[in-house]
Amino acid sequence: DAKTTQPPSMDCAEGRAANLPCNHSTISGNEYVYWYRQIHSQGPQYIIHGLKNNETNEMASLIITEDRKSSTLILPHATLRDTAVYYCIVGNSGGYQKVTFGTGTKLQVIP
Amino acid sequence: NAGVMQNPRHLVRRRGQEARLRCSPMKGHSHVYWYRQLPEEGLKFMVYLQKENIIDESGMPKERFSAEFPKEGPSILRIQQVVRGDSAAYFCASSPNWDRVTEAFFGQGTRLTVV
Repeated sequence: DAKTTQPPSMDCAEGRAANLPCNHSTISGNEYVYWYRQIHSQGPQYIIHGLKNNETNEMASLIITEDRKSSTLILPHATLRDTAVYYCIVGNSGGYQKVTFGTGTKLQVIP
Repeated sequence: NAGVMQNPRHLVRRRGQEARLRCSPMKGHSHVYWYRQLPEEGLKFMVYLQKENIIDESGMPKERFSAEFPKEGPSILRIQQVVRGDSAAYFCASSPNWDRVTEAFFGQGTRLTVV
């Protein structure tokens, strides 16, 4: 699996956009970028995924650079409930999640 | 549609005992994955199972750990002769068919404490 690099922590003011970066410079052509988050003591929660086009759903937007070596997860209006560890991982399609989550980015939303 | 159910949520075992962790996948899901999360670390893949088959157990320790997903009933992760280093949160995830782009849904985890 391709390795990802994320900043260990970030702060964001409540109501502002949270932009979480991820580097995945060794991603291969058929690998997707997935984002999950883990709120304290809970199981990881799927947020969004993409291959090369930008994606948006009710939770977030995913911006993938043209060379696919990096991506940014955008939470448009962060709330206190968005405080969590955010994991960026890469993996193949088909639901086979043989990946190891890194240590992620700990996002703290500040009131 | 109930989510992925894991039980127990918390499990305390003395060193040398056996720990048995259960995972019931979402309805219609036939693929189960187990992960371990040590304190202050990310989740690490352990094993991937389909009904009655172990597909990939490359992340599972060779000794004392085993997993099964029988035709009927939940998936079981079994740890024999537990040691303090086995203390961790164990998460199960499930997904539907292999041949779709999909996302794994995770359970709430079992927190194993070995005393």
